[in-house]
Amino acid sequence: DGGITQSPKYLFRKEGQNVTLSCEQNLNHDAMYWYRQDPGQGLRLIYYSQIVNDFQKGDIAEGYSVSREKKESFPLTVTSAQKNPTAFYLCASKGRGRVANVLTFGAGSRLTVL
Amino acid sequence: AQTVTQSQPEMSVQEAETVTLSCTYDTSESDYYLFWYKQPPSRQMILVIRQEAYKQQNATENRFSVNFQKAAKSFSLKISDSQLGDAAMYFCAYRSGGGGADGLTFGKGTHLIIQP
Repeated sequence: DGGITQSPKYLFRKEGQNVTLSCEQNLNHDAMYWYRQDPGQGLRLIYYSQIVNDFQKGDIAEGYSVSREKKESFPLTVTSAQKNPTAFYLCASKGRGRVANVLTFGAGSRLTVL
Repeated sequence: AQTVTQSQPEMSVQEAETVTLSCTYDTSESDYYLFWYKQPPSRQMILVIRQEAYKQQNATENRFSVNFQKAAKSFSLKISDSQLGDAAMYFCAYRSGGGGADGLTFGKGTHLIIQP
């Protein structure tokens, strides 16, 4: 079945360490997204990518970095520059064109900074 | 920039009753899409219903329907015959029209409680 796989589901990090969250999709979607979810804050866009080797900052990109070397993969690195990284992170993807405008989400990754 | 407002942090309804969740948005665009997503305790985001702004007819998916008031910039979700499985966070979301890759703008969510 087609879908989006995020890993790990739970991740713990010490302060000052970088950590990378994985996002893989087999939907043949061009666009991919990373959202951060905090209690009472809804979802906020971190980064998105329309095609391979291209990505744009979202609303809260500071302290994060991404890469898009393959169509299927869009990993997110939470760097030590992110002041409050504890959150739930959601990856999503979308097909091309006006009709395919619905985002499909992965199951998420919970990051906790110790 | 577009904003989405959900004014009800929490709603409670008796099983089998009907509940309406509110959503308003602010935009200067005429071409856009609106969505309701459900996030159960598993935290998997599930699309409930979507509405194209150029369509006057309100979208319906089984027990879920919307009341889309374009002039008022209002997009409420009505859940009929509420079931225990409807308990979840519900998020209203907006995205610009066209085939671009712009992401969704989300509201802060409404926590729906279903009382047996």
